[in-house]
Amino acid sequence: RKEVEQDPGPFNVPEGATVAFNCTYSNSASQSFFWYRQDCRKEPKLLMSVYSSGNEDGRFTAQLNRASQYISLLIRDSKLSDSATYLCVVNRAGGYQKVTFGTGTKLQVIP
Amino acid sequence: DAGVIQSPRHEVTEMGQEVTLRCKPISGHDYLFWYRQTMMRGLELLIYFNNNVPIDDSGMPEDRFSAKMPNASFSTLKIQPSEPRDSAVYFCASSLQVNSPLHFGNGTRLTVT
Repeated sequence: RKEVEQDPGPFNVPEGATVAFNCTYSNSASQSFFWYRQDCRKEPKLLMSVYSSGNEDGRFTAQLNRASQYISLLIRDSKLSDSATYLCVVNRAGGYQKVTFGTGTKLQVIP
Repeated sequence: DAGVIQSPRHEVTEMGQEVTLRCKPISGHDYLFWYRQTMMRGLELLIYFNNNVPIDDSGMPEDRFSAKMPNASFSTLKIQPSEPRDSAVYFCASSLQVNSPLHFGNGTRLTVT
């Protein structure tokens, strides 16, 4: 089983729609979680951290479910500019740090 | 503030040649990571450093790859000899401390012919 798994998509949604992505992780010792956005031929950029209590940044909401070992990202009122690949990141620190990226979920927002 | 700086942005080389990729992390960041990204495999961690010391190099494909961090503001990833299957985008990233988010450079797009 992969350490971090995401549905690759693509998710094709109309402008204004709400879309949600999930990401599952296998190691219960994982400690910190993030969502990144990557545009075509660009570097990944931090979208938001994911906190245990859930957190919101404008149209974006991130949640963590430790019991079921997944994180989620909800995008409300999708914009054309939201079209990108969304990567989840799981960080496990202990003897040494292990940062694992999911393979990404591609989102295409359609006019 | 300057972000992570990588050079070169693009590198085209012939099989068998030595390739050196360079990275300057964000000042004050204790961790530096080298990743490789391909369509087939996504983002793969090659190696990471903590306070200039290599901690985990289990992702380095083989002996042809080596990485150094001689000081807190500079790191190199070297491939010698290069092969066509090394063609990928190589990203350098740094983070402030353990469990902090990573900040990526623009990447080096390597093509080995």
